[in-house]
Amino acid sequence: DAGVIQSPRHEVTEMGQEVTLRCKPISGHNSLFWYRQTMMRGLELLIYFNNNVPIDDSGMPEDRFSAKMPNASFSTLKIQPSEPRDSAVYFCASSLDVDRGGQPQHFGDGTRLSIL
Amino acid sequence: DAKTTQPTSMDCAEGRAANLPCNHSTISGNEYVYWYRQIHSQGPQYIIHGLKNNETNEMASLIITEDRKSSTLILPHATLRDTAVYYCIVRFTGFQKLVFGTGTRLLVSP
Repeated sequence: DAGVIQSPRHEVTEMGQEVTLRCKPISGHNSLFWYRQTMMRGLELLIYFNNNVPIDDSGMPEDRFSAKMPNASFSTLKIQPSEPRDSAVYFCASSLDVDRGGQPQHFGDGTRLSIL
Repeated sequence: DAKTTQPTSMDCAEGRAANLPCNHSTISGNEYVYWYRQIHSQGPQYIIHGLKNNETNEMASLIITEDRKSSTLILPHATLRDTAVYYCIVRFTGFQKLVFGTGTRLLVSP
């Protein structure tokens, strides 16, 4: 079975450019999560969606970050304009919504983003 | 979410059981205990979770104390590929947020 699919795997771009990260959740999962991992701060939740609706975006660092989920099989995380401090590994995860016995989240392999 | 405390690092010989402890003394009655691991350069991998009873799957066993204030993840026959950072997380039912701490860095050696 296909897991969570993220693209691109690596992205290198210059400061000020727009960056778009993409995620395809596991089929049938209706909760989707975006995390960011850095050496300094570890793994942090940025935002999560339930049935394509953003539920908690309190982890989004600032207005330069935005996330959308236009349908159940696709989500994007956009940074505009990008800054060097946005360099990190960005993970997408998905899970079943209803907490029947505690549904685990399943993670993609991440996008390694470098802003020069 | 309840905080968890884990040792920073542990060593284990290949083929032996790896026992990773986690303290969660402030856990409440409806919080599950989850274990994830992260192998270098990969996304976190779900291992196992439980509420009150001990659990076992093809990857590991989870032992939760009767008072639920601590738990142990057991990898019965550790291999070199089990070298990773292991995270113990407690989470409310119906509350989807996972808060990752610093985890335990497990090194499995030949």
